[in-house]
Amino acid sequence: EAGVVQSPRYKIIEKKQPVAFWCNPISGHNTLYWYLQNLGQGPELLIRYENEEAVDDSQLPKDRFSAERLKGVDSTLKIQPAELGDSAVYLCASSLASGTPRNEQFFGPGTRLTVL
Amino acid sequence: AQTVTQSQPEMSVQEAETVTLSCTYDTSENNYYLFWYKQPPSRQMILVIRQEAYKQQNATENRFSVNFQKAAKSFSLKISDSQLGDTAMYFCAFYNTNAGKSTFGDGTTLTVKP
Repeated sequence: EAGVVQSPRYKIIEKKQPVAFWCNPISGHNTLYWYLQNLGQGPELLIRYENEEAVDDSQLPKDRFSAERLKGVDSTLKIQPAELGDSAVYLCASSLASGTPRNEQFFGPGTRLTVL
Repeated sequence: AQTVTQSQPEMSVQEAETVTLSCTYDTSENNYYLFWYKQPPSRQMILVIRQEAYKQQNATENRFSVNFQKAAKSFSLKISDSQLGDTAMYFCAFYNTNAGKSTFGDGTTLTVKP
């Protein structure tokens, strides 16, 4: 079974440039999460999707961040424009369903973003 | 809101010995799960062990076991017979079943020494 796929693995951009990250969850997983992980810290939730609906985006900085999961499968997270403080690892995770015992999250390898 | 605290930023252990990683949490919820995840250097995060809050029996997975003290809101991870491959960052996570949301601690970096 293929795991959660993310691309690119690494991205270096200059501040004020746009950037996009892509995630393909495990087949059949309805719930998809985007997390931000700063160096030496735990992941922080940015947004959670149930199928194509964003059910929790309270921590997403909506002035510069956007996300979509149009067909309820893969998802894209965008930052425009990027700031120096956005340098971090962006993790995608998926699970069968949230709010149930089948709630184990499977993580992708992450995208390491460096903003210069 | 939930908070998760891992008070040991770094720990080390000799190969084959036992080590315990600490985690405490704060919540008013009754319906939740607790997890330990492992994140090896430059590799993706994987689940180590899961504990349902309504179960009194501590979870075990081979060399990994937890000490779940619900009243004290404590959830420590014990690794027995430590192996070099256990070197990683370990995250404690609280899962709010009603909200479908996880809160992670800041992690403990564990180094297993040969």
